[in-house]
Amino acid sequence: DTAVSQTPKYLVTQMGNDKSIKCEQNLGHDTMYWYKQDSKKFLKIMFSYNNKELIINETVPNRFSPKSPDKAHLNLHINSLELGDSAVYFCASSQGPGTPYEQYFGPGTRLTVT
Amino acid sequence: SQQGEEDPQALSIQEGENATMNCSYKTSINNLQWYRQNSGRGLVHLILIRSNEREKHSGRLRVTLDTSKKSSSLLITASRAADTASYFCASTAGNKLTFGGGTRVLVKP
Repeated sequence: DTAVSQTPKYLVTQMGNDKSIKCEQNLGHDTMYWYKQDSKKFLKIMFSYNNKELIINETVPNRFSPKSPDKAHLNLHINSLELGDSAVYFCASSQGPGTPYEQYFGPGTRLTVT
Repeated sequence: SQQGEEDPQALSIQEGENATMNCSYKTSINNLQWYRQNSGRGLVHLILIRSNEREKHSGRLRVTLDTSKKSSSLLITASRAADTASYFCASTAGNKLTFGGGTRVLVKP
């Protein structure tokens, strides 16, 4: 059984378009995250939700909007895509919001903006 | 520079050898975690060491933590070809994990 799944796995789109990435976890976790991994492999937190409530909102352009319809789902919508948005986006989940918990990562969504 | 920087950036060893990589961080932490990322995959949690621990073992993994130097090391003993991956440390404070840039390890058969 897949623990954290993301769709789509690959996303190729043109500048200016709007796109969404979906994430689902079946681990029963309370906390979910979005990370961005750039071409140099640096991984940066973007957002975190705990029980559908936003608890981490890093310095991210407001073109990025997360939505958590329930504890098991966290989606990421990106408006007016730019070349610099090209990256791999990872969803993750953990048992709780605190740092004692390990995080479980999805397989990633490779976004290419042309 | 990034919180949780790792050294070296890349490492190439023969199967059976040990691989050691280091991580430095900048601020006080609750704990430090290490993750592995195989090519094209998501990260997988390896081990967590709390700020009051100095050393921890898990199978062929040994992690040390020196809070006075704000540094940690990960040792993989008797490496296997399957250990080929990128390894990331993540320093933890508050609700956040802050990842380093990773060490790419290549284990040659």
